[in-house]
Amino acid sequence: SQKIEQNSEALNIQEGKTATLTCNYTNYSPAYLQWYRQDPGRGPVFLLLIRENEKEKRKERLKVTFDTTLKQSLFHITASQPADSATYLCALEDSGAGSYQLTFGKGTKLSVIP
Amino acid sequence: DVKVTQSSRYLVKRTGEKVFLECVQDMDHENMFWYRQDPGLGLRLIYFSYDVKMKEKGDIPEGYSVSREKKERFSLILESASTNQTSMYLCASSFRVGTGLVNQPQHFGDGTRLSIL
Repeated sequence: SQKIEQNSEALNIQEGKTATLTCNYTNYSPAYLQWYRQDPGRGPVFLLLIRENEKEKRKERLKVTFDTTLKQSLFHITASQPADSATYLCALEDSGAGSYQLTFGKGTKLSVIP
Repeated sequence: DVKVTQSSRYLVKRTGEKVFLECVQDMDHENMFWYRQDPGLGLRLIYFSYDVKMKEKGDIPEGYSVSREKKERFSLILESASTNQTSMYLCASSFRVGTGLVNQPQHFGDGTRLSIL
């Protein structure tokens, strides 16, 4: 069966360190993978999209990698700050059976400790 | 900035009632989506629409229906509300590129927390 797994439900990290979040998937062949941030009581906010032919994408302190062989995406936040504390969701396109949907992982709650 | 507006932040209804959740977007997006989000289960797609009057079932359509009469508005209907439909409901929209529904970022509203008593 198809599955998206984010490495942990919660991740605590010291301010200034690099946070690394993992998204693994099985039985998908996504052409695109997206990362979102969700704050408590709010809807998810889009951060980055990476295509299958892109190994890496950067946006300010954020970096995403996409390894289709390992079926894994890594999401890095460098020089993390308390304001980065939120839940981060990965999502990928499910194009199976001709139906295009975005399927989300359950998220990793990141806490950056001052 | 894209704005997706959901009609209510909090809603309390009774079992058996017909419930309408409204969503409006202001960016002329072709695609619109309804999700529910539950602790431990994540975001799950209920229905989506890629054009006016068009709709497709997502992963959990049972007990729900949708309506899209205008491009900017997508309504979720709980035909006869039940307690297991207590949840956070999120609406999203995106551009459609080519024949695909995804590969474009989805823009979410802030959700409606619905309680069915």
